[in-house]
Amino acid sequence: EIVMTQSPATLSVSPGERATLSCRASQSVSSSLAWYQQKPGQAPRLLIYGASTRATGIPARFSGSGSGTEFTLTISSLQSEDFAVYYCQQYNNWPPGTFGQGTKVEIK
Amino acid sequence: EVQLVESGGGLVQPGGSLRLSCAASGFTFSNYAMSWVRQAPGEGLEWVSGISSGGSSEHYADSVKGRFTISRDNSKNTLYLQLNSLRAEDTAVYYCASHRSTTCYSHLDSWGQGTLVTVSS
Repeated sequence: EIVMTQSPATLSVSPGERATLSCRASQSVSSSLAWYQQKPGQAPRLLIYGASTRATGIPARFSGSGSGTEFTLTISSLQSEDFAVYYCQQYNNWPPGTFGQGTKVEIK
Repeated sequence: EVQLVESGGGLVQPGGSLRLSCAASGFTFSNYAMSWVRQAPGEGLEWVSGISSGGSSEHYADSVKGRFTISRDNSKNTLYLQLNSLRAEDTAVYYCASHRSTTCYSHLDSWGQGTLVTVSS
């Protein structure tokens, strides 16, 4: 089973600043990597798939990069609505489609 | 607009059973694979089970294999998850989600709001 490791666990950022979240796979997942955003009491929402393609309706301030084992989600200028927990998930080796443990982006 | 609405959650004793349902609308349900993902209180996301668009392929996490059964009725646009031999560690919000493919080898692009399953005596 592929293990997905996200870092940091918590990221404190001021509004308007840039946030960089990392996700590492225990073995190559090619570009089969998605990012999801989850706010308290809500379902997860797809942000990025194929490592770098924004889902429908996702603002351009969200970008994804990487391939193989190292991936990054960047939020270029944090808005108040972006404070949430972010999960990566690989879907190259299925089952299971393993998730990372999440990175909480909080207000500094 | 894609809508996924889960139901069937509740309080059940250890060893008991539940059947979860997920009613889909706003897209051609029979064209897409579906999965169940759960989230224990205060924890992260755990993929539980997936099924191909036509229902011929089913997949399970090791933690639920032999206890949970996924199925779908494409004529009713509904996904199911039968939960048997429930344990305290199965307590979680269960989300249904759609893949953007006929197989589970793809991302999850739409999610329901979830249904809470609590296993306790």
